[in-house]
Amino acid sequence: QSALTQPPSASGSPGQTVTISCSGTSSDIGLYNYVSWYQQYPGKAPKVIIYAVNQRPSGVPNHFSGSKSGSTASLTVHGLHEDDEADYFCASYAGNNKFVFGSGTKLTVL
Amino acid sequence: EVQLVESGGGLVQPGRSLRLSCAASGFTFNDYGMHWVRQAPGKGLEWVAGLTWNSDKIGYSDSVRGRFTISRDNAKNALYLEMNSLRTEDTALYFCVRDRYASSFYYLDFWGLGTLITVSS
Repeated sequence: QSALTQPPSASGSPGQTVTISCSGTSSDIGLYNYVSWYQQYPGKAPKVIIYAVNQRPSGVPNHFSGSKSGSTASLTVHGLHEDDEADYFCASYAGNNKFVFGSGTKLTVL
Repeated sequence: EVQLVESGGGLVQPGRSLRLSCAASGFTFNDYGMHWVRQAPGKGLEWVAGLTWNSDKIGYSDSVRGRFTISRDNAKNALYLEMNSLRTEDTALYFCVRDRYASSFYYLDFWGLGTLITVSS
């Protein structure tokens, strides 16, 4: 049970579009559409922003979107805002009553 | 208002035991699965353990299986984590987290503020 692989960092200027990848295996992301994404500000609890690959919970801005291709999921932030600067974690159900998180990506708004 | 309040954290020596509790309120507790997720200082999120609404499905990460036990008491709206044989690498902020589904591990829709465990001699 290894963590899903994310780039340690990503960045963009306000208004730009940034995509964060999340690489898994055929036993987690590749097998289940139970991919979720979490946003975490320093010193705060995480908050879900995408579930079921591409669904946004009520109240989450629509400039966040999610997708999946094979064993890789992606989070796209359209039109970066300053308050999008945070850590982002992907996660997936991994079968056999297991859940796995990604390694995390620090998003910097330049 | 949904609330998850963790308690039981603190400083503990390696090899000792500790029991975390999570008090849930503001929702029908037995309509949801529950999890423990931890975050070591300056590190990422690590799923620790989870269980469905009636505890018929329970899972653990490889790093804690055999040492930690997750349980719930639906009558008391409480989630627990019994931690034995603690190691220095168990040092982390432990979050009590609600799963959106009752009967499987789907996604984590509400998080407590966490309780800090420090394992050190």
